[in-house]
Amino acid sequence: EIVMTQSPATLSVSPGERATLSCRASQSVSSALAWYQQKPGQAPRLLIYGASTRATGVPAKFSGSGSGTDFTLTISSLQSEDFAVYYCQLYSDWWTFGQGTKVEIK
Amino acid sequence: QVQLVESGGGLVKPGGSLRLSCAASGLTFSDYYMSWIRQAPGKGLEWVSYISGSGGTIYYADSVKGRFTVSRDNARNSLYLRMNSLRAEDTAVYYCARLAAALDYWGQGTLVTVSS
Repeated sequence: EIVMTQSPATLSVSPGERATLSCRASQSVSSALAWYQQKPGQAPRLLIYGASTRATGVPAKFSGSGSGTDFTLTISSLQSEDFAVYYCQLYSDWWTFGQGTKVEIK
Repeated sequence: QVQLVESGGGLVKPGGSLRLSCAASGLTFSDYYMSWIRQAPGKGLEWVSYISGSGGTIYYADSVKGRFTVSRDNARNSLYLRMNSLRAEDTAVYYCARLAAALDYWGQGTLVTVSS
């Protein structure tokens, strides 16, 4: 079983600042790693797939990086619409989600 | 545009059964793997199952294996999840999603509540 651990659980950021979210796998995984954004009462929205490729329509302020066991989602210059919960997901040899990081207004 | 609409959720007693449906439009349905994901109230996302475009490849999370059955009807552009022996811990919003570049389209979800 592969476990995806996201940190921190909650990230307090001021508008205009950058947010860096981490997702760590319990063992080395392929690059089939995705990031999703979920706002209250809504379905998740795909942001990043293949660890670093932005999904269609996703602004360049969202960027993904990493390989092996450590992956990062960076959101530059946070605006009000970016405050949400973010999940990483492995979708290859093993399917699982991280427990999520809530990005809140500082 | 791609649309996925889930239905079939509701209140069911422990040990009961329910069948969820996901109606797809705006895509060549048989070309895509499809997946079910759930989210318990106030909790994170949990992958449940996926099925290949032909239906020949199916996987389940350990938490539902032996109790849930995923299927699809490509002629009807529909995905299904048959849930048997339901438990309180199965209470969640159930989403269907298309697997292309990861899970790129999601439905709005349907709520399943397991309670006596």
